[in-house]
Amino acid sequence: IQMTQSPSSLSASVGDRVTISCRASQTISTSLNWYQHKPGNAPKLLIYGASTLQGGVPSRFGGSGSGTDFTLTITSLQPEDVATYYCQQSYTIPYTFGQGAKLEIK
Amino acid sequence: QVQLQESGPGLVKPSETLSLTCSVSGGSMSNYYWSWIRQPPGKGLEWIGHIYSSGTTSYNPSLKSRVTISVDTSSNQFSLKLTSVNTADTAVYYCATDRIYFQHWGQGTLVTVSS
Repeated sequence: IQMTQSPSSLSASVGDRVTISCRASQTISTSLNWYQHKPGNAPKLLIYGASTLQGGVPSRFGGSGSGTDFTLTITSLQPEDVATYYCQQSYTIPYTFGQGAKLEIK
Repeated sequence: QVQLQESGPGLVKPSETLSLTCSVSGGSMSNYYWSWIRQPPGKGLEWIGHIYSSGTTSYNPSLKSRVTISVDTSSNQFSLKLTSVNTADTAVYYCATDRIYFQHWGQGTLVTVSS
């Protein structure tokens, strides 16, 4: 299953609402997970099952969608949110990731 | 809190075998899947494969002919072997817990394929 994220890069101001999209090449129900990856660090699980927030993740992060179209939303962008964000489908093996969306601060 | 740590050579010659080990602490390996994931420089994440604590494996078809993942639950470790490597296998290699989502990750280890 191919995962396609958009946009590939984006720039926003502190406090802005940010959305990143992820589209699957076939239906994956809600088997969609989101990760935040900062350079030099391991990726961090943000959301699993399309919309369940991983423990300890700030509530400004949210996920939605089902079938083929999914969205990661940051309701109020903070400087520490600068990172690359990846979606990953867990519907079938091989698990596959999107190509990433690089988020920067204006 | 489960912690994972990758170890192994940082430099491998072309055509040779890449071997990495992931040491698990802070929890039991039983009844879980354990995955290997890699990220080539400047590129995205690629799932390599996983192993269940019983030893059952699944691999990415793109690498299946060259990959072996094994587990030693008594030592709290699992391992990756990738044969016949080439420069395209240069990447940061991560190990991770696998509950169909990857909750805990190692810090990653850079493996460079070069003569």
